[in-house]
Amino acid sequence: KAGVTQTPRYLIKTRGQQVTLSCSPISGHRSVSWYQQTPGQGLQFLFEYFSETQRNKGNFPGRFSGRQFSNSRSEMNVSTLELGDSALYLCASRRGVTEKLFFGSGTQLSVL
Amino acid sequence: SQELEQSPQSLIVQEGKNLTINCTSSKTLYGLYWYKQKYGEGLIFLMMLQKGGEEKSHEKITAKLDEKKQQSSLHITASQPSHAGIYLCGAGSSGGSNYKLTFGKGTLLTVNP
Repeated sequence: KAGVTQTPRYLIKTRGQQVTLSCSPISGHRSVSWYQQTPGQGLQFLFEYFSETQRNKGNFPGRFSGRQFSNSRSEMNVSTLELGDSALYLCASRRGVTEKLFFGSGTQLSVL
Repeated sequence: SQELEQSPQSLIVQEGKNLTINCTSSKTLYGLYWYKQKYGEGLIFLMMLQKGGEEKSHEKITAKLDEKKQQSSLHITASQPSHAGIYLCGAGSSGGSNYKLTFGKGTLLTVNP
């Protein structure tokens, strides 16, 4: 069974640009969560989608948005990139909301 | 919001030594997860503890949950270089739902051969 797949693995952007990250969950998993990880703040929750609906949202500005498609695949978008958005973005999926998360390898975003 | 504090922040041990990592919550714990991460990569699930007093083991790693102290500990026996990495604890935001998992900042473990 394939794990959680995130693309691209690495990304370099400049300030002001926008970026879209993709996540394919494990087959059968309807919940997808997104996290941002930085050395200073650690792992911070962005949002979670379940059956195409946003279930929960972390404390991030509106520049961070996401969506989930009918096949459970999810995308995360960051507009007007800032230097502080440089981070490892991790996607995780689970079958139900009370089950453990399975993480992808992440997308390393560098904003120059 | 719930905060999880891990200690120590980093740890260097000699191969073969035992070690313990602690995770303390600012609020009541409704399930506690332990994950391991290699630098720059995704998190690998280790164990989940749901009840006070619960203890689970996987190979040489044992985790315990003390509900009264709102604390969990992860103990590694006879450490090996393969145990090196970042250990993170995570907890659900409210009882029974786990809609939002909050994580500690992690403990960086180095095992010297």
